[in-house]
Formats: sequence, C-alpha cells, structure tokens
Amino acid sequence: KAGVTQTPRYLIKTRGQQVTLSCSPISGHRSVSWYQQTPGQGLQFLFEYFSETQRNKGNFPGRFSGRQFSNSRSEMNVSTLELGDSALYLCASNSGRGPRGTEAFFGQGTRLTVV
Amino acid sequence: GESVGLHLPTLSVQEGDNSIINCAYSNSASDYFIWYKQESGKGPQFIIDIRSNMDKRQGQRVTVLLNKTVKHLSLQIAATQPGDSAVYFCAENMYSGGGADGLTFGKGTHLIIQP
Repeated sequence: KAGVTQTPRYLIKTRGQQVTLSCSPISGHRSVSWYQQTPGQGLQFLFEYFSETQRNKGNFPGRFSGRQFSNSRSEMNVSTLELGDSALYLCASNSGRGPRGTEAFFGQGTRLTVV
Repeated sequence: GESVGLHLPTLSVQEGDNSIINCAYSNSASDYFIWYKQESGKGPQFIIDIRSNMDKRQGQRVTVLLNKTVKHLSLQIAATQPGDSAVYFCAENMYSGGGADGLTFGKGTHLIIQP
C-alpha cells in the first residue's frame, strides 16, 4: 500500500509570508503527527491529529497550526515566517490505536527554506 | 522539558563488525521507546521498539536493550552492512491516558561504515 505522502518536497518562502504543507497518511490510518527537524534542535513534535481533532500539541508558537480533514489528510500552516522556521517538516501516520509511536510511518518530509 | 539524548553524534565501525548505539533518557515516566533510522533525504524509518516492562527485544540483526535503573537504551546492530549507514534516533513516548504525547527524539547518532 502507498506510504505517507508529503507535498511539496521543497519550498522556498520569504520572511513574513505564510506556508501550507500537506500530508496524506497511509490508507486506514487516522492519526497524523507533525514534526520539525533542524540540525540544531533535532526532531521536535508539533502536533497530532486524530479524527479531525487536535489531540496534542508540542511547544511551538501559535504561528504553527494544523488541521485534519475527514479523509485523514492533514495540513499544517505556518504564518509570518521567520528565518528560524527553515527546517524539514515531517509527517507521521499512525493507526491511532495503542501507544503513540507504534507503527508510526514517516513521510519524506517537506524541506522549507525561508529567505 | 525532559528529553532523550544520545552519547555520540558519530560512530564509525568496520563493515561486518557489530555496532552499538547508546541513548540516555531522562523521563522515568516514559513507557515506550523506539529506534528510528534516517537515511539521507528520507524520513525516519521505524526499526524496533520496546516497552518499559521489558529489558530486551530482538529483531532481524538488531537488538534493543533497556536499562531502567540508569535510564539507558541501546541499539545493537549485528554484522553491520553498508546499507546500515544512516542517522539513528532513539525516541520515547509517554502515553498519558486520555491525551497522547508526541514522540520525544534524541539528537541522533550518525553511523558510518568503514569498508
């Protein structure tokens, strides 16, 4: 079956702009989590959605938001972009059953560069 | 906040030797630990996991050891192959009943295979 699909793969934006990233989970998976990966901070949890509801949120400012649609596809949005938002944004798909992290599959990520 | 850390940013081993990658965690309430492998340009790939009520778990060529007394986690890779070259992350998870915390990742160890 198809894996986790993230679009676009690469993105260049200017400071102050906003950006929307998309994630399509594995078919049948209802949980989608988002992570930010940078060389300095490593992988950091942004938020998780399950059945269109945000279940948990990491320690990021309100400029970072997300949503999930009825087909489990998820989007994350970053407003008023800052240079420090340059990172690889990863989406993880999970069946939503059992402990978080079980059977979690990651997409290839969206590489966001803010100039 | 509490975080999962790794002892070495880089580990170089000879092809065919066994590799041991270490990780220290600080949250004694964590009940689930996962090792991920991330190759260049790809998202993290699930390798093996272990629950806090276990000390050891084996997979194909990999073994994870958990020492809760000293809060230490290790990944052993037997007969290391060139394809094992990647960054390895340990991650912890604390399933908190009605809510679900995201994965907390360590900084990663870059495993380099010498021919």
